[in-house]
Amino acid sequence: DAKTTQPPSMDCAEGRAANLPCNHSTISGNEYVYWYRQIHSQGPQYIIHGLKNNETNEMASLIITEDRKSSTLILPHATLRDTAVYYCIVRNAGNMLTFGGGTRLMVKP
Amino acid sequence: DTEVTQTPKHLVMGMTNKKSLKCEQHMGHRAMYWYKQKAKKPPELMFVYSYEKLSINESVPSRFSPECPNSSLLNLHLHALQPEDSALYLCASSQEGAGISGNTIYFGEGSWLTVV
Repeated sequence: DAKTTQPPSMDCAEGRAANLPCNHSTISGNEYVYWYRQIHSQGPQYIIHGLKNNETNEMASLIITEDRKSSTLILPHATLRDTAVYYCIVRNAGNMLTFGGGTRLMVKP
Repeated sequence: DTEVTQTPKHLVMGMTNKKSLKCEQHMGHRAMYWYKQKAKKPPELMFVYSYEKLSINESVPSRFSPECPNSSLLNLHLHALQPEDSALYLCASSQEGAGISGNTIYFGEGSWLTVV
């Protein structure tokens, strides 16, 4: 299974863009990159996923490098409610999600 | 609608009790999952059901017994638990069974279990 590496914590000013990096250098060609977040005491919330191309939805943008060895989740205008643990996950062929340590994002006023 | 509903939200049980956690989804998903999450740790996979059959058991102790009575329901039966089993238990579901890595997995809000 491809593993991911994320910084344990990051701060972001409210209203600014939050850029969360993720390294997945051993990713296979058919493995997707998924991002979830977990706000305290709640279940993980799906944010976005991608295979090769950059993706955007109403919550965030996902930028995947051309060699697919890393990606960045972008929250364009972070709010206090975006404070959460963000998990970057490479989805394996067994259809499971294996969570790593994640990045604890703190959005500050 | 991407809702996975878990009940109860909170459960306190003694070590000799038998209880069950329940999970329900009406998205037509055919894969369902149980995860366990200890405080300040990431979720860990326990079981996967694909088309109502158990496909993955991550070496979970037999005091945890999963059951999938139909494609919409997933239960986790609990018996003779230990205090260290206290955790947040998360249910999730996805559209397809094993092997389709492009289908999103949706999680419920979890059931907080305390074993006393």
